[in-house]
Amino acid sequence: NAGVMQNPRHLVRRRGQEARLRCSPMKGHSHVYWYRQLPEEGLKFMVYLQKENIIDESGMPKERFSAEFPKEGPSILRIQQVVRGDSAAYFCASSRNRDGEDKYFGPGTRLLVL
Amino acid sequence: GNSVTQMEGPVTLSEEAFLTINCTYTATGYPSLFWYVQYPGEGLQLLLKATKADDKGSNKGFEATYRKETTSFHLEKGSVQVSDSAVYFCALSGGAGNQFYFGTGTSLTVIP
Repeated sequence: NAGVMQNPRHLVRRRGQEARLRCSPMKGHSHVYWYRQLPEEGLKFMVYLQKENIIDESGMPKERFSAEFPKEGPSILRIQQVVRGDSAAYFCASSRNRDGEDKYFGPGTRLLVL
Repeated sequence: GNSVTQMEGPVTLSEEAFLTINCTYTATGYPSLFWYVQYPGEGLQLLLKATKADDKGSNKGFEATYRKETTSFHLEKGSVQVSDSAVYFCALSGGAGNQFYFGTGTSLTVIP
């Protein structure tokens, strides 16, 4: 049973470009969470999705960031018009249950904005 | 609201020394508490958890007890090894989807 997959592992973008981060949850998991880890900081919750629905996006910046988890395929975190402050590690976690306590984290995507 | 305050690092210990990393929390309701470990360049791995007051989570020689009266969940290990060198995160679960609230992490380096 493969774990949570994230790709790419490393992504370099210039200011103003778009970044697309993908997360494939573990088999049988329909709940996905995205977290951002800024340098020297802990992880901060961004968004919680269940298949085709955004359940909680209270941690998402109001502009430029969006997330989806379609019926088929991976969850996507999309950052438009990236700025240097978006440079961070983005982690995805998945869980089988609604209570979300059996979370498994992916290896993360490290985004660098030049 | 929910938040976690974690002992600042970095922490450097000699092999076989005793480890304590302090963690206190603020929460509404009765959250579950977790310790995660992150090795360089990798994602987070669950180390241990406790779901209610007075529960003790344990794994790989690490222990933490859920203390409701002091709102704490301190991580301890009696004898650390070089392979324990990593960043340790304390977290609690809460919110609409039981998302995690993480502390800022404590970097541990164990020297031979």
